Amino acid sequence: LAKTTQPISMDSYEGQEVNITCSHNNIATNDYITWYQQFPSQGPRFIIQGYKTKVTNEVASLFIPADRKSSTLSLPRVSLSDTAVYYCLVGPPTGTASKLTFGTGTRLQVTL
Amino acid sequence: EPEVTQTPSHQVTQMGQEVILRCVPISNHLYFYWYRQILGQKVEFLVSFYNNEISEKSEIFDDQFSVERPDGSNFTLKIRSTKLEDSAMYFCASTIPTSGSDSKQYFGPGTRLTVT
Repeated sequence: LAKTTQPISMDSYEGQEVNITCSHNNIATNDYITWYQQFPSQGPRFIIQGYKTKVTNEVASLFIPADRKSSTLSLPRVSLSDTAVYYCLVGPPTGTASKLTFGTGTRLQVTL
Repeated sequence: EPEVTQTPSHQVTQMGQEVILRCVPISNHLYFYWYRQILGQKVEFLVSFYNNEISEKSEIFDDQFSVERPDGSNFTLKIRSTKLEDSAMYFCASTIPTSGSDSKQYFGPGTRLTVT
C-alpha cells in the first residue's frame, strides 16, 4: 500500500482558499487518490476522488500532477464549519470495495 | 443523501462483558465494514463483510470479535469479552461497488464504547 505524507496541521482564516498537499511517492499504476473529512466525534465523510489531472465537485478540487507522486486538495473560501481532519488515502478505488487505510490526516483549524 | 445509522451512540460496559454494536447500512449497499478509532489515533480497519461472510479482517479482529447480518437490514459487531483497550469509537460503513469515480464508503456516526 502506498504510504502517504501530509502536514499534521494547518490554520486558515475564514474566506481563504486552503490547499492541503499529500505526498505518495510509491503510488501504484492502478491506485486512486481519495480524500475524506472527519469532524470531531463523527465518521469520516468522502470528499473527492481522482486518478489524474484535476477533479472538481461542489465541495473541493483535487489536483494531481502528471507523475501522480503528490496531490493537492483545494477548499475554496473555507468557513468555520470546515474545521476538521482531512485524510489523503491512496489505493484501489472505493468502487472495488477494498478496505480504507487511514493515516493521521491534516487537522485544519479555521478561525475568524 | 442516504445515511448509515448506528446504535447506541454511547455504550458503557464493564471489562469482561459482551457488547453488540448495531448498524443499519444503506439499503442497496452490498459491502459492509467496521472500523474503530481509539481516542486521538487513526481510524483502523477491522473487518469487511460481503455476501454473508467475512471478506477481509485485520489483526485487531481476533476471536473476541464477530460480525453478523442477522436480517436484511442490520449489521452487528459483537465483542465477546471486552477489555479496557477496546474503548474506542466504532464506525460502520457500507458501499456498493461501482465503476464510477465517485464511488465511496459511507460511514455511520459511530458508537463510542467505554470499557471500565
